[in-house]
Amino acid sequence: SQQGEEDPQALSIQEGENATMNCSYKTSINNLQWYRQNSGRGLVHLILIRSNEREKHSGRLRVTLDTSKKSSSLLITASRAADTASYFCATDDNTDKLIFGTGTRLQVFP
Amino acid sequence: DTGVSQDPRHKITKRGQNVTFRCDPISEHNRLYWYRQTLGQGPEFLTYFQNEAQLEKSRLLSDRFSAERPKGSFSTLEIQRTEQGDSAMYLCASSPNTISNTGELFFGEGSRLTVL
Repeated sequence: SQQGEEDPQALSIQEGENATMNCSYKTSINNLQWYRQNSGRGLVHLILIRSNEREKHSGRLRVTLDTSKKSSSLLITASRAADTASYFCATDDNTDKLIFGTGTRLQVFP
Repeated sequence: DTGVSQDPRHKITKRGQNVTFRCDPISEHNRLYWYRQTLGQGPEFLTYFQNEAQLEKSRLLSDRFSAERPKGSFSTLEIQRTEQGDSAMYLCASSPNTISNTGELFFGEGSRLTVL
């Protein structure tokens, strides 16, 4: 089963623009993570935000978390063609496993 | 450290055949996870191990599926009597401790199964 849904399902932008992806989930969580997946490859961890945090930055990535709305957003600033990938949120609901969302497919055009 | 490795990367089989996938986690990672991912979807949890103990199995893991981690190192996922609906990417991931403590999972490149 999948914990959350991501919005939009697909996003196409030009290089240099910002990309924002949203994730909604259903249960209480310890932390929320974002992963990236290039086509046909494994997932790579990007960033983790804990339930008591509201915002976190890592390089060109900015993640927010609103536990009252059970939602998170991932912002990629100044996007590059190499950012083209699928992005997934994943939640840790204290069951020692991650439950992934449905993903956003990002296409960045040069 | 070479990361999580999975073998084979691709497997094409006929319906009714058995297939086995192997996962070698990052050494000293005591937790090992199996996920299944179909086209356009996120990974779905199948099962996980702490050392050699299988701690949880998803309802997705029918009795045709079996996973083992006999010595607490590598793991195998076997699918018996494959069906076309089993076609998917099977992903393995490992972590050094509980997710609540250490957070991230380290994924392999996956094993893609196609059942004809």
